Amino acid sequence: QQPVQSPQAVILREGEDAVINCSSSKALYSVHWYRQKHGEAPVFLMILLKGGEQKGHEKISASFNEKKQQSSLYLTASQLSYSGTYFCGTENQGGKLIFGQGTELSVKP
Amino acid sequence: DAGVIQSPRHEVTEMGQEVTLRCKPISGHDYLFWYRQTMMRGLELLIYFNNNVPIDDSGMPEDRFSAKMPNASFSTLKIQPSEPRDSAVYFCASSRWTVRETQYFGPGTRLLVL
Repeated sequence: QQPVQSPQAVILREGEDAVINCSSSKALYSVHWYRQKHGEAPVFLMILLKGGEQKGHEKISASFNEKKQQSSLYLTASQLSYSGTYFCGTENQGGKLIFGQGTELSVKP
Repeated sequence: DAGVIQSPRHEVTEMGQEVTLRCKPISGHDYLFWYRQTMMRGLELLIYFNNNVPIDDSGMPEDRFSAKMPNASFSTLKIQPSEPRDSAVYFCASSRWTVRETQYFGPGTRLLVL
């Protein structure tokens, strides 16, 4: 079942922060985050495994709460290059990734 | 490494024609995935292979779609006959050892069926 992402879209000014949420109705084994720029392929950001870990990648970090079956992606001090569509991919018992509908992030100067 | 290679990058065809999309995964990667992306349905997993063997094809929309992986360095996704609703971007991705690894996406094939 497809995870639900929120918000669907967000507009930021450079330097502002944003949080993107990903929720699943099923138990999660891992959560993957990807970013896709217009006309390009999705690019991997990070994977979070079962265990409630938090990871960081430059000014982008994420958390995974397996009890709540949720993950959140945190973007701090956003840069123009952060613009794009962010997808979470959730791994359920089936062992395959199901991607959410995406969150479109626009960072303005 | 060259990354995942897909061909063609763009395909325009007429309804009823056969379409074949090609993918070369990253060398040494055991998993290969085919995805379809549309505005309406987002990024959908169609099928994935492990060591050239199809593991899960539950995302293949119907019998008009078929996928093969004859060897570790080549896979095809075929649509026969094609329909306008098949218009989408088709991505191939590969990962090293498990589904839980980073998936590296190819540039995609933009398919337009008239």
